[in-house]
Amino acid sequence: QVQLVQSGAEVKKPGASVKVSCKASGYTFTSYGISWVRQAPGQGLEWMGWISAYNGNTNYAQKLQGRVTMTTDTSTNTAYMELRSLRSDDTAVYYCARGGVAAAAPLDYWGQGTLVTVSS
Amino acid sequence: SYVLTQPPSVSVAPGKTARITCGGNNIGSKSVHWYQQKPGQAPVLVIYYDSDRPSGIPERFSGSNSGNTATLTISRVEAGDEADYYCQVWDSSSDHVFGTGTKVTVL
Repeated sequence: QVQLVQSGAEVKKPGASVKVSCKASGYTFTSYGISWVRQAPGQGLEWMGWISAYNGNTNYAQKLQGRVTMTTDTSTNTAYMELRSLRSDDTAVYYCARGGVAAAAPLDYWGQGTLVTVSS
Repeated sequence: SYVLTQPPSVSVAPGKTARITCGGNNIGSKSVHWYQQKPGQAPVLVIYYDSDRPSGIPERFSGSNSGNTATLTISRVEAGDEADYYCQVWDSSSDHVFGTGTKVTVL
């Protein structure tokens, strides 16, 4: 069965960086893409970007351009999301989700979420 | 940027039908996906490409999309359907856009 297992909760200070991992299993990793979605406490869902596990192509949300980097390691079927220059409003649960070969595809399987807290 | 508007809340009695709308400019020309999110859990895809259901999603869940409104319909509502529901589209200028979310309460 398809599973996406994310790394554990993080606490960071403003200005620091965080890197969240998402290990995939149960499907051919390079046949799909991975999107990252975050949800601030009590708020809705916000799409952060997408990476193709096939060729590494990325598509980032405009508001995060320059602060976010998404990568994959096909040897371990793991996707990574790094967010830099953290601010308090980056406090959120971060989800990885399986998408299609195109960035526009629906997100059919989700990780369990990783809470990132930014606080001084 | 493209905006999707949902009602903040919908209340429905068990066994009745809940309809959740998602408004957007000419949304009928786009593909709409719907997600269910229960408290403390990750979202689950319940409808994709306007009206398709993933395996394991009950037939009680259906979707439609036309003009400026897409609709998720939950028939014969059960207590377990109580959750937040989000619509989502892909827009060429805004990328993935999620709706504002609707909290469904089963009375």
